[in-house]
Amino acid sequence: GESVGLHLPTLSVQEGDNSIINCAYSNSASDYFIWYKQESGKGPQFIIDIRSNMDKRQGQRVTVLLNKTVKHLSLQIAATQPGDSAVYFCAEKESADSGYSTLTFGKGTMLLVSP
Amino acid sequence: DAGVTQSPTHLIKTRGQQVTLRCSPKSGHDTVSWYQQALGQGPQFIFQYYEEEERQRGNFPDRFSGHQFPNYSSELNVNALLLGDSALYLCASSPKLLAGVTYEQYFGPGTRLTVT
Repeated sequence: GESVGLHLPTLSVQEGDNSIINCAYSNSASDYFIWYKQESGKGPQFIIDIRSNMDKRQGQRVTVLLNKTVKHLSLQIAATQPGDSAVYFCAEKESADSGYSTLTFGKGTMLLVSP
Repeated sequence: DAGVTQSPTHLIKTRGQQVTLRCSPKSGHDTVSWYQQALGQGPQFIFQYYEEEERQRGNFPDRFSGHQFPNYSSELNVNALLLGDSALYLCASSPKLLAGVTYEQYFGPGTRLTVT
């Protein structure tokens, strides 16, 4: 499949290590944030989300941290596995008056996990 | 339960031509959004359809248009293709946004459009 990772920041880790992927968002009015994983040749896949009234949320092997003061989001992956190798995007939701809202994606980080 | 499907998988067009991309949403979803993803970039929102109407639109020219059918499937049309339109076009579906409900979009595999 085609590469989605050209010219992206890259994080290289060893299998079993913990990974931390960071994201800075720009819109202080954003109220919902999502992390997506995109493997080569595939569309983005939902990993975990967090609302602006929370600062931490945990899933299976993943944790998202939100710091609204500095508009920063991070994704922590515990015990990283080779199957975690992919491009990771953060996305923020911009509320719209109509009630329908859209997602704004960051530029992405490529995670490379070596065995 | 089929997820979001898109067709075709790959497409090659010449500058100035027109193209139509198709999307079928995940079962039970009635809202469809389209995104353009250039190589090495995050997806950029084009527009969103609900109840056969365009509800939101991103910063894309009028050459980009769409349609939603009564069965919730959708088409993206691009006229007068430019080299810069070469990208992966992603379709995402979701249930109608409801107050207090998690807003989650499911993405299809995309259509890779190459304009020569």
